[in-house]
Amino acid sequence: GAGVSQSPSNKVTEKGKDVELRCDPISGHTALYWYRQSLGQGLEFLIYFQGNSAPDKSGLPSDRFSAERTGGSVSTLTIQRTQQEDSAVYLCASSQSGTGVSYEQYFGPGTRLTVT
Amino acid sequence: AQSVTQLGSHVSVSEGALVLLRCNYSSSVPPYLFWYVQYPNQGLQLLLKYTSAATLVKGINGFEAEFKKSETSFHLTKPSAHMSDAAEYFCAVSESGGYQKVTFGTGTKLQVIP
Repeated sequence: GAGVSQSPSNKVTEKGKDVELRCDPISGHTALYWYRQSLGQGLEFLIYFQGNSAPDKSGLPSDRFSAERTGGSVSTLTIQRTQQEDSAVYLCASSQSGTGVSYEQYFGPGTRLTVT
Repeated sequence: AQSVTQLGSHVSVSEGALVLLRCNYSSSVPPYLFWYVQYPNQGLQLLLKYTSAATLVKGINGFEAEFKKSETSFHLTKPSAHMSDAAEYFCAVSESGGYQKVTFGTGTKLQVIP
């Protein structure tokens, strides 16, 4: 079956521009995560969606970052007024979920963002 | 709050030698623990996971990890390293019960020397 897809695969933008990154999770997965992976750095948690609950935004680095998930499926991560330090690979992951269980996350291939 | 510490951002081993990647966790309730691998220019994929069944967990590609509650550890091992094992490895934890997000460690890059 189809895995997690992300678009675009690569994005080059000028400093100060807004960008939107898209994630299509695996059908039926109620949990969706966004991470950022900077060069030489680990995996930085950004935001977590779980079903219809309010998202956990505790990892968003500034108010220039926002994300939404429409209809419990597709998610968009928006970065406003991009800065050079926003250059990174943005990874999306989805998983099933259930009380008392923690399921494997399935990762997309990522979007490589370069801010010039 | 849960957290994961991976000791050593870079580990080098000779081909055929033992691989040992260290992970310690912190969790206020019994945890679920994961190891993911990221090969160069690829996404992350699950190697193995511990979900309160057997404490010794076997994963893909000959890797295994042992959950040690007394040491709050979940170290990843492989008896004999192959060149193809060169990758970045991430330990992750989530708390059992309810809907809990997963927290990742900072990763360990494994270099295999021929």
